[in-house]
Amino acid sequence: QQQVKQSPQSLIVQKGGIPIINCAYENTAFDYFPWYQQFPGKGPALLIAIRPDVSEKKEGRFTISFNKSAKQFSLHIMDSQPGDSATYFCAVNSGYSTLTFGKGTMLLVSP
Amino acid sequence: GAGVSQSPRYKVAKRGQDVALRCDPISGHVSLFWYQQALGQGPEFLTYFQNEAQLDKSGLPSDRFFAERPEGSVSTLKIQRTQQEDSAVYLCASSFDRGGELFFGEGSRLTVL
Repeated sequence: QQQVKQSPQSLIVQKGGIPIINCAYENTAFDYFPWYQQFPGKGPALLIAIRPDVSEKKEGRFTISFNKSAKQFSLHIMDSQPGDSATYFCAVNSGYSTLTFGKGTMLLVSP
Repeated sequence: GAGVSQSPRYKVAKRGQDVALRCDPISGHVSLFWYQQALGQGPEFLTYFQNEAQLDKSGLPSDRFFAERPEGSVSTLKIQRTQQEDSAVYLCASSFDRGGELFFGEGSRLTVL
């Protein structure tokens, strides 16, 4: 059973657009919701993360929106740039459990 | 080095061969994880070490997969009698403690012919 479902699978936006990537989970015990960014040939790198005590977190151009009742969270990239073209993964875990990743969203930001 | 180092970066093996993949975590990081990433997929958990103790190996797909971290630092993932379905990128990650941020290496890409 997939613990976190991520959509869309791929996304193309123009420079300056605001891509939105969504994740949904089932287990209400999850209490840590990070997003990772991965460039080709590189390992994933933590981009931004949120705990369920807040509904939104911003770091630079990246924002996580969290809806606890709907068990969903999303990543918004403001003023997207071609350098943001990468694969983005959401992930979930609780306490000291193992981080479980979504299947990823391949983002292309066209110039 | 400052980051997680993995070697080899690329490995081509004939079906049935044994392979060993090495991970050198960030100095001082207690926790070490191995993940398997198939093409176009997210990383999937294989195993977890806290220092030299392997506390969780529930993600290892078969008994052909074996991991060790004998001195609580460098770790090796060994795959015996490789099969084509083992072809993937094997990612190592470390963190200061289990609940801390994961830092990933660049991965070892294994291709089994």
